[in-house]
Amino acid sequence: DQQVKQNSPSLSVQEGRISILNCDYTNSMFDYFLWYKKYPAEGPTFLISISSIKDKNEDGRFTVFLNKSAKHLSLHIVPSQPGDSAVYFCAASATLNNFNKFYFGSGTKLNVKP
Amino acid sequence: DTGVSQDPRHKITKRGQNVTFRCDPISEHNRLYWYRQTLGQGPEFLTYFQNEAQLEKSRLLSDRFSAERPKGSFSTLEIQRTEQGDSAMYLCASSLAAGRGYTFGSGTRLTVV
Repeated sequence: DQQVKQNSPSLSVQEGRISILNCDYTNSMFDYFLWYKKYPAEGPTFLISISSIKDKNEDGRFTVFLNKSAKHLSLHIVPSQPGDSAVYFCAASATLNNFNKFYFGSGTKLNVKP
Repeated sequence: DTGVSQDPRHKITKRGQNVTFRCDPISEHNRLYWYRQTLGQGPEFLTYFQNEAQLEKSRLLSDRFSAERPKGSFSTLEIQRTEQGDSAMYLCASSLAAGRGYTFGSGTRLTVV
């Protein structure tokens, strides 16, 4: 069962514009969410996170929004740069005792055109 | 801090052979995770260690799979009697504390022919 879904396999935007990547989840117990970026032949790299007690977290050009009622989160990148071209994964976790096991979406490939 | 290291980067093996992968986490990280990623999918959890204790195993980890972390430092993942369905990228990650993002290694790509 896919508890975290990224329904857009790919996204293409022009350099300087906003990129919006979306993610939906089904498990209401999830309380911590992350976005990872992955370049070819490399492991995923942590980008930004958000706890369920917040609805927005910002880090430079990257902002993550969480809508708990809709079980939806999104990653905004503004302005988009060609170096942002990568596969982006969202991941979610439910804290059980002291352990975090993350469920990943299938990824969205972002292409930022110069 | 040299990051999470995985060895080998690529492994091609014949069906039925055994393979072993190694992961060296960031030295101060006491948590270590193994994930598997197949084409077009996100990483899927396989197993988790806190120090040398293996605290959870996914149902994806059949009896042919075994993971160890003998001294709470490096970890090995062994697959016995490999099958073509085992072909995937095997990712190792480590973290210092729960509730934070992992640091992933670059992965070991396994191809079973």
